[in-house]
Amino acid sequence: AQKVTQAQTEISVVEKEDVTLDCVYETRDTTYYLFWYKQPPSGELVFLIRRNSFDEQNEISGRYSWNFQKSTSSFNFTITASQVVDSAVYFCALSSGGYQKVTFGTGTKLQVIP
Amino acid sequence: DTEVTQTPKHLVMGMTNKKSLKCEQHMGHRAMYWYKQKAKKPPELMFVYSYEKLSINESVPSRFSPECPNSSLLNLHLHALQPEDSALYLCASSRPPNEQFFGPGTRLTVL
Repeated sequence: AQKVTQAQTEISVVEKEDVTLDCVYETRDTTYYLFWYKQPPSGELVFLIRRNSFDEQNEISGRYSWNFQKSTSSFNFTITASQVVDSAVYFCALSSGGYQKVTFGTGTKLQVIP
Repeated sequence: DTEVTQTPKHLVMGMTNKKSLKCEQHMGHRAMYWYKQKAKKPPELMFVYSYEKLSINESVPSRFSPECPNSSLLNLHLHALQPEDSALYLCASSRPPNEQFFGPGTRLTVL
């Protein structure tokens, strides 16, 4: 069975603050993929990043960075110098096995206050 | 082109109506998905098509009927829906195990 836990339901930060969204996952598979998606109020899920279980390198893309730690089964997402446009619901997700089924976390709603 | 399109954007229907949701992608992806998303919840998988064949049906009621006419198109036929079926319906496509690309969704209201 797979499980993704996003313990933070809602986070509010003031613009320009840094914020970290937590994601903890469970899977029995040794090969798996982790994802982060952003869902703004418009509703469309926007893909942000994919990580496979063999690649523990952290990644930085502009103001976004991701910290993948297999030892703690975590895949955390940090936004540096947050902006109002970052306000959205962020989902962490996991796929393994046949890879067609993706298990989503419950999401973290981020509100960036100007 | 990483675009998945969905029509219509909004749909209001009565419980006796028949309607269809449409989804299209031109990324050459052979896996396509329907999800249902209620407010403040994550997307919930309904159906998966792989190479135009239904590969996963998550015990969805028969009032939802998927169809994959070709590798680029995915339909969801709706009949005799209930008010609790009101939700955002999302279509996605992918080349597993890679990420899924989602369309903008159809906001469905059942009266």
